[in-house]
Amino acid sequence: GAVVSQHPSWVICKSGTSVKIECRSLDFQATTMFWYRQFPKQSLMLMATSNEGSKATYEQGVEKDKFLINHASLTLSTLTVTSAHPEDSSFYICSARPPQETQYFGPGTRLLVL
Amino acid sequence: GNSVTQMEGPVTLSEEAFLTINCTYTATGYPSLFWYVQYPGEGLQLLLKATKADDKGSNKGFEATYRKETTSFHLEKGSVQVSDSAVYFCALSNDYKLSFGAGTTVTVRA
Repeated sequence: GAVVSQHPSWVICKSGTSVKIECRSLDFQATTMFWYRQFPKQSLMLMATSNEGSKATYEQGVEKDKFLINHASLTLSTLTVTSAHPEDSSFYICSARPPQETQYFGPGTRLLVL
Repeated sequence: GNSVTQMEGPVTLSEEAFLTINCTYTATGYPSLFWYVQYPGEGLQLLLKATKADDKGSNKGFEATYRKETTSFHLEKGSVQVSDSAVYFCALSNDYKLSFGAGTTVTVRA
C-alpha cells in the first residue's frame, strides 16, 4: 500500500529557533501534499496545500511566513516552522495524494517548543 | 461551507459490544464521505469510504452507509475488540480537500 513517512517523529526546540519537518511518499509520486495541525483531543486542521513545483496555498489564518512549505519533488515536501514559539507546539501531520486518488497520511511529528 | 459533526466521546465499551459513532455533515454538492482511524501513536488510516448516496463502505467489520436524506454517515461495528481502541474521525471531501470531524475516542475493555 501507499506509505508516507515523516521525519522527525518528534522534536523539542528552544523558542526562537526554526524547525524543519520532512514528509515523503515512499512508493508513489504525490502531485499534491497537505499539511495539517492537530491540537490535543481536537481534529485535524488543514494548514496548507502544496503542489510540486509551485507555491503552497495556505488556509485562512495560517501565516505563510511562519510556516514555510516547500514541495521540491514528487516525493518530498517540507514544512519549516520559523522562529518557533511555545504556542506552535502541536502535532503536525502531512498527507500525500497521487493523481485521482485519496490522501495517504504520515505518522505525524510532535513539536514541543520550550 | 463544508462541516462535519460527530458524536463526542470518549466512548468506553466492553469487548464484543456493539459500537455506533454518529456523524452528520453539511456540504455543497455531492461529497465523498470517509471514516479514518488513528491508533495510539500512529497516523491516520483510511478505514472506509463511500462516494455516493446509499453506498455502504465496509472494512474490518466496520460499516457506514451514505444517507443523503439525513446527511449522515454513521459508523457501526457489531462486536468490538480491544484492538479497536482508537480515535475515529469522520470526514468529507467534494474536491481534493478533506474536512474532518472532531474525532471520537473509543476504548474497548477486555
